[in-house]
Amino acid sequence: GAVVSQHPSRVICKSGTSVKIECRSLDFQATTMFWYRQFPKQSLMLMATSNEGSKATYEQGVEKDKFLINHASLTLSTLTVTSAHPEDSSFYICSATHRDSGVEKLFFGSGTQLSVL
Amino acid sequence: DQQVKQNSPSLSVQEGRISILNCDYTNSMFDYFLWYKKYPAEGPTFLISISSIKDKNEDGRFTVFLNKSAKHLSLHIVPSQPGDSAVYFCAASRNDMRFGAGTRLTVKP
Repeated sequence: GAVVSQHPSRVICKSGTSVKIECRSLDFQATTMFWYRQFPKQSLMLMATSNEGSKATYEQGVEKDKFLINHASLTLSTLTVTSAHPEDSSFYICSATHRDSGVEKLFFGSGTQLSVL
Repeated sequence: DQQVKQNSPSLSVQEGRISILNCDYTNSMFDYFLWYKKYPAEGPTFLISISSIKDKNEDGRFTVFLNKSAKHLSLHIVPSQPGDSAVYFCAASRNDMRFGAGTRLTVKP
C-alpha cells in the first residue's frame, strides 16, 4: 500500500535554530500534502495545505514566515520551523492524498516530535 | 508496524440506521483516542475523542466506545445521514499519534 515517510521522527534543538521536517510519498505522487500540529491530549490542528508547484495555503492564525512549507516535487514536501522557540515544541505530522482507482485516499506520515530547549 | 488498524476499508449503511466503525490498536500505552472525518479534496476534521480513563463519550449523533481490555474502539453514528458519507480515521495517541488506514462510509438515502 501507499506509504508516507516523515523524517526526522524526533528532534531536539536549541531556541533560535531552524528545523526542517520532510514528508515523502514513497510509491505514489502526491499532488496535495497537509501539515498538522498536535498538542498532547488535543486533536490535530491543520496548519497548511501544500500543493506541488504552488504556494501553500495556510490556516488562519498560522504564521507563514514562521512555518515555511515547500512542495517542490510530487513526492516531497518540507516544513521548516524557523527560529524555533520552546512554544513551538509539539508533534508535527504530514499527510498526503493519493487517488487510487478513482478513489481519493489519505495517508499519514509517522510524525515528528519537536522539542525546543 | 501498524499500531492502529481499521480492518474494514468500507461500510455501506441505509439512511436512518446505525453506522458502526471499528478500530483496533496494539499499544496499551495509548491514552487518548480520536476519530476524524474526511471529505474528498479536504483535510481530515476532528470528530470526537475519548480519554483512556473513560469507556464512552457521546456528542450528538456520535458516540465513541473504548474497550481497553480488548484494545478496541468504535464509533457509532445514529441515525446515519447521507452527509455522513466520508472516510473516517481513528487515531491513538500518547506522546505522538498513530492513524488507522480509514474506513469509507457510504450512507444511502
